[in-house]
Amino acid sequence: DAGVTQSPTHLIKTRGQQVTLRCSPKSGHDTVSWYQQALGQGPQFIFQYYEEEERQRGNFPDRFSGHQFPNYSSELNVNALLLGDSALYLCASSLETSGGLNEQFFGPGTRLTVL
Amino acid sequence: QKEVEQNSGPLSVPEGAIASLNCTYSDRGSQSFFWYRQYSGKSPELIMSIYSNGDKEDGRFTAQLNKASQYVSLLIRDSQPSDSATYLCAVNKEWHSGGGADGLTFGKGTHLIIQP
Repeated sequence: DAGVTQSPTHLIKTRGQQVTLRCSPKSGHDTVSWYQQALGQGPQFIFQYYEEEERQRGNFPDRFSGHQFPNYSSELNVNALLLGDSALYLCASSLETSGGLNEQFFGPGTRLTVL
Repeated sequence: QKEVEQNSGPLSVPEGAIASLNCTYSDRGSQSFFWYRQYSGKSPELIMSIYSNGDKEDGRFTAQLNKASQYVSLLIRDSQPSDSATYLCAVNKEWHSGGGADGLTFGKGTHLIIQP
């Protein structure tokens, strides 16, 4: 049973550049959520995708955008990178269930460094 | 006011003892609660979830929930050095009308050290 996968593992960019991170959900899951985790902090919710649409968003600027494909995989795009965007970016997948007590499972993350 | 609060630690516990980790939350609408374990440099791993008041046991782990006190805890029995990690408490605040999970709100985590 394949777990959540993310690519790339590590990424180094310079200020002002753009970056795209990728995520494939756990087999059988249809919902993808993205989180940002700064050093020493808990993950912060960026947004969630279901049925190829963004259905909830955390307190992140429009520089952060995403997409979900028909096969449920997802991308996170960040434009005009700032030094403060350096963090571990985590993708979590879950299964939409009615009444549902959905558990979210995390991928290994992408470590982004902005210089 | 922070939405999910945890003592950052470090919490040091002798091997074989019970480790007790605590978490409080501010939103009374919170409906489901999760404990994740995160080793240094790794991603969070789900170890327990709880939705109803009371205790839920899974192996050496017991999650306890008290919605009236807005308090959730994790007990680790027979602590092992491999349990040394940061434990993150996460809360799911609301449901969509058709079900489904929203984004989780995390605490900053408690750093647990099991002393051999």
